[in-house]
Amino acid sequence: SQTIHQWPATLVQPVGSPLSLECTVEGTSNPNLYWYRQAAGRGLQLLFYSVGIGQISSEVPQNLSASRPQDRQFILSSKKLLLSDSGFYLCAWSVQVGTEAFFGQGTRLTVV
Amino acid sequence: AQSVTQPDIHITVSEGASLELRCNYSYGATPYLFWYVQSPGQGLQLLLKYFSGDTLVQGIKGFEAEFKRSQSSFNLRKPSVHWSDAAEYFCAVGPITGGGNKLTFGTGTQLKVEL
Repeated sequence: SQTIHQWPATLVQPVGSPLSLECTVEGTSNPNLYWYRQAAGRGLQLLFYSVGIGQISSEVPQNLSASRPQDRQFILSSKKLLLSDSGFYLCAWSVQVGTEAFFGQGTRLTVV
Repeated sequence: AQSVTQPDIHITVSEGASLELRCNYSYGATPYLFWYVQSPGQGLQLLLKYFSGDTLVQGIKGFEAEFKRSQSSFNLRKPSVHWSDAAEYFCAVGPITGGGNKLTFGTGTQLKVEL
């Protein structure tokens, strides 16, 4: 069966520090991969999605970037964190168009 | 562009009472529709999905949802709520073609269950 791993679960980082959140999927090949950010009362905002290795689409201009160095690995990064980057970050995968997405357990990022 | 509206930010029901969470969508055609549930500090779990066919779909944990094309709605229902159903519920729509299968989510409805 397919599983998705996301880490770390919680992270406290100072303003101006770098960020790297990692997500891996097991049990499937060539998944679509997604990074969402969740803010209280604002639902889920899609940040990036990827349909294949090295293929990244950005949905919202921001201080973050994403990379997909391997088929089942998706990384969310920042060179210098801002206070506004605090939030709950969720990685997700899906098989193809028109199917549901499966979510990781999320990372609570607090920028101080 | 597709969009989802969940008009109720918070809902409180008594345990054993029935529940209906509202969801309205905007899309150029009939999209794929989903309901997810999220417990505090956790990821999202899929409750049910609608792709085509029977407009009343059954999901996990005793939930069901009805797709009404004329109203652009996909409301979630449960006949008898349990205290463990307290969580946040998200409605989502997905494209039927292209677009990298990007799901668009509503802002969520927080469900509180009174014992």
